[in-house]
Amino acid sequence: GAGVSQSPSNKVTEKGKDVELRCDPISGHTALYWYRQSLGQGLEFLIYFQGNSAPDKSGLPSDRFSAERTGGSVSTLTIQRTQQEDSAVYLCASNLMGNEQFFGPGTRLTVL
Amino acid sequence: GQNIDQPTEMTATEGAIVQINCTYQTSGFNGLFWYQQHAGEAPTFLSYNVLDGLEEKGRFSSFLSRSKGYSYLLLKELQMKDSASYLCAVSSAGNMLTFGGGTRLMVKP
Repeated sequence: GAGVSQSPSNKVTEKGKDVELRCDPISGHTALYWYRQSLGQGLEFLIYFQGNSAPDKSGLPSDRFSAERTGGSVSTLTIQRTQQEDSAVYLCASNLMGNEQFFGPGTRLTVL
Repeated sequence: GQNIDQPTEMTATEGAIVQINCTYQTSGFNGLFWYQQHAGEAPTFLSYNVLDGLEEKGRFSSFLSRSKGYSYLLLKELQMKDSASYLCAVSSAGNMLTFGGGTRLMVKP
């Protein structure tokens, strides 16, 4: 079956521009997560969606970051007025409650 | 707060055994995961421990001691393809995972 997919795989943007990153979770998975991974570092939690509950936004680093999940499926992570320190790989994962998370291939964001 | 510690780098020889340790201090505990991540790829699930003891899965085993806040991943009969980063992650309240910084394992011939 299809795994978690993300698009685009690579994104290069100029400082100050807005970007949108997309995640298609595995069908039927109720939970969706966004993480950020800087080069050679571990995963930094950003935001978590569980079913129709209000998302847990506790990991978002600033108000320039936001995310939504429409219809309990596809999610979009938006970064406004990008900064160079936003450059990283953005990973999306999904799962059913309590099980291991399945990760997408990530979007590599480079802010010039 | 959440704190997960693991060594940054380890080196081992092909065919040998290596143990990667992870210590954690978290508010709440619903289990501990180990993930493997090859360079430029997404993490993939290796193991899950929620009870104390050893879980064996082929060449890989994972151990958990909840009272000590300690886990290790044991890799036997190392192969070159095992060169990767190994991520320890703790599940706490709300089904969320907190990841350690990862251990980069280099397997040499």
